[in-house]
Amino acid sequence: QKEVEQNSGPLSVPEGAIASLNCTYSDRGSQSFFWYRQYSGKSPELIMFIYSNGDKEDGRFTAQLNKASQYVSLLIRDSQPSDSATYLCAVTPYSSASKIIFGSGTRLSIRP
Amino acid sequence: DAGVIQSPRHEVTEMGQEVTLRCKPISGHDYLFWYRQTMMRGLELLIYFNNNVPIDDSGMPEDRFSAKMPNASFSTLKIQPSEPRDSAVYFCASSLEGSYEQYFGPGTRLTVT
Repeated sequence: QKEVEQNSGPLSVPEGAIASLNCTYSDRGSQSFFWYRQYSGKSPELIMFIYSNGDKEDGRFTAQLNKASQYVSLLIRDSQPSDSATYLCAVTPYSSASKIIFGSGTRLSIRP
Repeated sequence: DAGVIQSPRHEVTEMGQEVTLRCKPISGHDYLFWYRQTMMRGLELLIYFNNNVPIDDSGMPEDRFSAKMPNASFSTLKIQPSEPRDSAVYFCASSLEGSYEQYFGPGTRLTVT
């Protein structure tokens, strides 16, 4: 079992709709959770992080965490073509809070 | 700040050759990470340093890979000898103590023929 699992996609969403990206993790002791965005041919960049159960909102982005279900999600409201990218879910393992483990990413495509 | 700097941006080499990738972290950052990204395996952590000291190298694939950080502003990842399966994009990232946000460099695209 992979430590961080994501559906590879592609996920196709019409412009203006809500894009929902999901991630599960195996280490029940994980404490910190991240979403990175990676445009094609570019490096990953952090867009959201969450530590506590529940929702965290930042602009059009909402991260959701459910530690009991070991589930993290990212919602993107009012999706724009510029949101088309690969979204990487990442977690810090219980064994080391200094490093993060990445999922393989979900490719999101926003169609005009 | 110029961000994390990596060189070269592209490297094409023949199997068996030595390859050295270079990274300059953001000034003042305490942590430096080396990652490898492929379509098949995604983004994998190879090794990371804290204050120039290697902390976890459990992701280094085998003895052909080695990494050093002789000072706070420079790190190298060396592959000797290189093999076609080493072809990937290699990223360097740095972060500050107490912050989980990692800042990635532009990456080095390595092709081994």
